[in-house]
Amino acid sequence: GEDVEQSLFLSVREGDSSVINCTYTDSSSTYLYWYKQEPGAGLQLLTYIFSNMDMKQDQRLTVLLNKKDKHLSLRIADTQTGDSAIYFCAESNERNNDMRFGAGTRLTVKP
Amino acid sequence: NAGVTQTPKFQVLKTGQSMTLQCAQDMNHNSMYWYRQDPGMGLRLIYYSASEGTTDKGEVPNGYNVSRLNKREFSLRLESAAPSQTSVYFCASSLTSGPGELFFGEGSRLTVL
Repeated sequence: GEDVEQSLFLSVREGDSSVINCTYTDSSSTYLYWYKQEPGAGLQLLTYIFSNMDMKQDQRLTVLLNKKDKHLSLRIADTQTGDSAIYFCAESNERNNDMRFGAGTRLTVKP
Repeated sequence: NAGVTQTPKFQVLKTGQSMTLQCAQDMNHNSMYWYRQDPGMGLRLIYYSASEGTTDKGEVPNGYNVSRLNKREFSLRLESAAPSQTSVYFCASSLTSGPGELFFGEGSRLTVL
């Protein structure tokens, strides 16, 4: 099947920028998403980008999409301890009725 | 606004026992999903229901059954639990099937001994 891959761990200092990377294989992906999962909770949508866009900015979050390389990244500026969570990359397209998720990147923010 | 509610939050079963996970959403969404989350593997789709009255297999359906009881409720049943089904189970809903935001419940942690 089509895969979504991301590194499992990232550790940064409070105040630094965090960059979480994701690669996907389905060239027909239409929407790409970033979800955040805090401890003991379900996933919540952080942001998403359409495949015809290169970049989307939303306050401290910047999403970059390189469609040629099928590479998606999430940059969190001025990372805070409250940003510590697992971040999931996901993709969907018009062909399927579901969403495919990466394994999640656990972001740890140290004071 | 409760969103997506799952019960129970925790369950311990012995191999061979059966149980049903319940899920209800109050957002008038048409589509509902059951995922399992395992370490290092992300979320994998078990079953989904694109609309009331329909259900379809996802990536990992073996050992599970589902019922779309009405528009609000979508249950997941394990008829004969196995240790390989130890996982965290998430129910999700969306306005329609296909691309769009998924709204997740808080998860149900199941341990099969």
